[in-house]
Amino acid sequence: AQSVAQPEDQVNVAEGNPLTVKCTYSVSGNPYLFWYVQYPNRGLQFLLKYITGDNLVKGSYGFEAEFNKSQTSFHLKKPSALVSDSALYFCAVRDGGSNYQLIWGAGTKLIIKP
Amino acid sequence: DTAVSQTPKYLVTQMGNDKSIKCEQNLGHDTMYWYKQDSKKFLKIMFSYNNKELIINETVPNRFSPKSPDKAHLNLHINSLELGDSAVYFCASSLGTGGVYEQYFGPGTRLTVT
Repeated sequence: AQSVAQPEDQVNVAEGNPLTVKCTYSVSGNPYLFWYVQYPNRGLQFLLKYITGDNLVKGSYGFEAEFNKSQTSFHLKKPSALVSDSALYFCAVRDGGSNYQLIWGAGTKLIIKP
Repeated sequence: DTAVSQTPKYLVTQMGNDKSIKCEQNLGHDTMYWYKQDSKKFLKIMFSYNNKELIINETVPNRFSPKSPDKAHLNLHINSLELGDSAVYFCASSLGTGGVYEQYFGPGTRLTVT
């Protein structure tokens, strides 16, 4: 079965420290992977995606993600966290089935403490 | 200039009523979606239209009926509302289908059924 997992419900990081939000996936075929962020009472915003090419993808707000095929992971990273990065982060992967919809992770709440 | 807009932002109604949520995008995108986000923040695709044609129709009660009068609009009508329909409903759009393009989300409509 095709799936995406975000193993941590919540990640706590001190401001200025590096952050990692984890995502692993299981799909047939080549994975198309996405990260989105949701601030409180707002819609989701696209951060970055991996379709093909360089395994390190750079996105909005200083975020980047590393695609690791052998570990079937696509972890979101940022070298230095800001309090304003506190939000809910979703990983998504394209379903390799017939309609190519996105399969969404359960979300990880990121809390950055001053 | 709001890219994806939804009305109303809040909707409070009683069980058994019928209600509609409207969505409009001014991005010139061909594909639009309806998502449901429950109280635990799980995101579930409900429907997707491409150029006014229904392409994704997930397992959703037939009380939910989407309508796309043109490719810039996707409305959601809900008949005989139930308590379990309480959630935040998001509209989104993307340039095309195939799970390749990033999705742009509206601000959401918080539906409360009492």
